Amino acid sequence: AQSVTQPDIHITVSEGASLELRCNYSYGATPYLFWYVQSPGQGLQLLLKYFSGDTLVQGIKGFEAEFKRSQSSFNLRKPSVHWSDAAEYFCAVAPFSGNTGKLIFGQGTTLQVKP
Amino acid sequence: DTGVSQDPRHKITKRGQNVTFRCDPISEHNRLYWYRQTLGQGPEFLTYFQNEAQLEKSRLLSDRFSAERPKGSFSTLEIQRTEQGDSAMYLCASSPTSAPQETQYFGPGTRLLVL
Repeated sequence: AQSVTQPDIHITVSEGASLELRCNYSYGATPYLFWYVQSPGQGLQLLLKYFSGDTLVQGIKGFEAEFKRSQSSFNLRKPSVHWSDAAEYFCAVAPFSGNTGKLIFGQGTTLQVKP
Repeated sequence: DTGVSQDPRHKITKRGQNVTFRCDPISEHNRLYWYRQTLGQGPEFLTYFQNEAQLEKSRLLSDRFSAERPKGSFSTLEIQRTEQGDSAMYLCASSPTSAPQETQYFGPGTRLLVL
């Protein structure tokens, strides 16, 4: 079955420090990959997505993610975290086949930023 | 473009009552998705529409749940005979096309509490 794993449920980093959020997926072929962010009281907002081409993708708010086929991973990174980045982050996949577009989400990583 | 809107934002009901949620997608988006998110988990797919046609329903969607999208515009999700296990955030998303790599735009969600 297709699945997405975010190994870190909760991460705390200091403001200005670098950040890496891990995401691994289980799927027979390379799916479409997404990172969404959810702030309290807000809907999910797309940070970036990958479906082909360059394996390093740039997103909004200074985020980037790297697709590594050999590791079935799509980790999210940011070189310098701001206090406003505190939120919940979700990795998601859309299976390549079936054309449903439905997203399968990981359980999320809560990011806390220390001043 | 006013984004995806959902109504109500919060709903408290007693077990056994029926509830209905509404989602207004971004204008001219022909795909509409419903997801459910419980505390500490990522969103889980419930169902989706291509225009007015409901094309897939998750096994999570018991026979107490029904969704409609008349005329391919807004959508409603009804839960009959609510149970405490139905307490969750119900998220709606829309996308402009059926392509699986297409960005899904999420609404703020309807938080349901069943007492």
